[in-house]
Amino acid sequence: GAVVSQHPSWVICKSGTSVKIECRSLDFQATTMFWYRQFPKQSLMLMATSNEGSKATYEQGVEKDKFLINHASLTLSTLTVTSAHPEDSSFYICSARDTGTGVNYGYTFGSGTRLTVV
Amino acid sequence: QKEVEQNSGPLSVPEGAIASLNCTYSDRGSQSFFWYRQYSGKSPELIMSIYSNGDKEDGRFTAQLNKASQYVSLLIRDSQPSDSATYLCAVNNLYNFNKFYFGSGTKLNVKP
Repeated sequence: GAVVSQHPSWVICKSGTSVKIECRSLDFQATTMFWYRQFPKQSLMLMATSNEGSKATYEQGVEKDKFLINHASLTLSTLTVTSAHPEDSSFYICSARDTGTGVNYGYTFGSGTRLTVV
Repeated sequence: QKEVEQNSGPLSVPEGAIASLNCTYSDRGSQSFFWYRQYSGKSPELIMSIYSNGDKEDGRFTAQLNKASQYVSLLIRDSQPSDSATYLCAVNNLYNFNKFYFGSGTKLNVKP
């Protein structure tokens, strides 16, 4: 089945620094990937849609200059949290679907990245 | 009104019982529906998908879809303690089939 690899699985960084999270589709190509954020005991919140070769589409309320998304190839999307602050501490998860499958196929999630900003 | 609504629970069932999880959605034109399971501290994993009215069975899991009433449910037969998790309902966006809306999830506790 489809496998999505996400790295790192956890990261601790100092306030004001930037952190890059990678999301790779290992055995399929993904034109579109999604980035979610999940705070403890809350549901997934869609942050942005990552589109290969074009600009990401951000959800309302998500700062595009703070959460930089790059989808340079059909198998890799990256999310960079710039100038991270403690309130950015969260569980970040990416998801992707094989471009060759239809709309009735679900998305596969990466294993998630737990970011802690101190 | 949220696009996808779920009872947050927790839903507690004894081991061996049937667990019934429900989800309602607002976009009448939505066509694809999914159930994900999420263990604490882990990312969601896809359990089932359904897009036609009626029932779809896969092992101990049965998804039920009623588009007229705009609800989708998940039945778990012979519930096991390992089924204890949060179950997320996802519905695709009417205007962008690549975009999914997730419910807030129902926490299921299966007691041994």
